[in-house]
Amino acid sequence: QSDLTQPPSVSGSPGQSVTISCTGITSDIGSYNRVSWYQQSPGTAPKLLIFEVSNRPSGVPARFSGSKSGNTASLTISGLQAEDEADYYCSSFTTSSFVVFGGGTKLTV
Amino acid sequence: EVRLVQSGAEVRKPGESLKISCKDSGYGFTNYRIGWVRQMPGKGLEWMGIIDPRDSDTRYSPSFYGQVTMSADKSISAAYLQWSSLKASDTAIYFCAKSRTPWELNAFDVWGQGTMVTVAS
Repeated sequence: QSDLTQPPSVSGSPGQSVTISCTGITSDIGSYNRVSWYQQSPGTAPKLLIFEVSNRPSGVPARFSGSKSGNTASLTISGLQAEDEADYYCSSFTTSSFVVFGGGTKLTV
Repeated sequence: EVRLVQSGAEVRKPGESLKISCKDSGYGFTNYRIGWVRQMPGKGLEWMGIIDPRDSDTRYSPSFYGQVTMSADKSISAAYLQWSSLKASDTAIYFCAKSRTPWELNAFDVWGQGTMVTVAS
């Protein structure tokens, strides 16, 4: 059982938008703007997509955006492309000074 | 180019010890923290803990506290993850990853390639 709750799967057609939710509690997502999102393709290491809720590292397309409301963070992918098909994970810092991940969401394009 | 290079796949028997490594390829090893993430077969990511190579200050997830030991040797830009007595349930891929900033615990912007650890009798 994971500490943050994500939908097991989402799907969308090329060009569409999808949103992946990540629900925590007041002692993690609800307490800090320190939510990250990662993309993992099969057989590869995760890649950082979003940090501090809504910031993108250099090189990550603007199609990827993050937000937060209360205890729930969200990752939105606009203009879906075939290469976006992957697993997506959220993570959050907690008031106990460690980090928790979500269970992951498989995106099918 | 920033790179983290991990040691190769390992096969051990239950009860055996193991130490795997993660070496920096030239970004200033002591300027960031190194975290460890577990991925069991077919499962999601789990944050195990993080170490600051400057002073070896370490924070563990409660799920992994007492189960593994993290260490670092800044003189050779290496971080380590070790077990004193492996269990079959330790079978997983273990990733090391670099924190985005020196104080960051939750955003890893460079990852190692992963080390597959198989524990079987």
